Amino acid sequence: DAKTTQPPSMDCAEGRAANLPCNHSTISGNEYVYWYRQIHSQGPQYIIHGLKNNETNEMASLIITEDRKSSTLILPHATLRDTAVYYCIVSRSIGAEMYSGGGADGLTFGKGTHLIIQP
Amino acid sequence: DAGITQSPRHKVTETGTPVTLRCHQTENHRYMYWYRQDPGHGLRLIHYSYGVKDTDKGEVSDGYSVSRSKTEDFLLTLESATSSQTSVYFCAISGGQGVNQPQHFGDGTRLSIL
Repeated sequence: DAKTTQPPSMDCAEGRAANLPCNHSTISGNEYVYWYRQIHSQGPQYIIHGLKNNETNEMASLIITEDRKSSTLILPHATLRDTAVYYCIVSRSIGAEMYSGGGADGLTFGKGTHLIIQP
Repeated sequence: DAGITQSPRHKVTETGTPVTLRCHQTENHRYMYWYRQDPGHGLRLIHYSYGVKDTDKGEVSDGYSVSRSKTEDFLLTLESATSSQTSVYFCAISGGQGVNQPQHFGDGTRLSIL
């Protein structure tokens, strides 16, 4: 899997948009960008993923640059409960039709960004 | 939350004893994974399964074995626990309809080997 680079920590004011950057300059054409977060002592929580188009769901938006070498996770209205470590991960698709013989990828978690939402 | 239950949630045991951790899912997903999380290392894949009786090794599989006798259960066994296996263990599942379905994680098992 390609490696990612994220800032170790960021602050954001409550109610403002939190923009978390991620560099993945060695990403391959068949690798997706996934974002997870982990609140202290809980299991990682899936947020969003994308291949090359921007994506939005009820939690966040994902902006991927045209060359796919970097992306930004946007939490539009951060709350105190969004304080967590955010992980940007690139990984191949694990659709069953691609890996019918096995070989599903584990996710490689780096150190992530510790996002602190300030009241 | 995805229907994933890990048991036990906490366990303290002694070096040399066997330990089995259980991951149970209610989503009927094909893929199941075991990770461990240690300070300074992030999450690391131990073993994964791509179907009943189909398993493979991950990055840190030494000292661990797994079994999957039915879709809903994935067991992780430490045959003879060592202090270096003190960690938080997370199970994950993925599958369902469509391609590139993300992995969803359980709440973890905190294991201490004394």
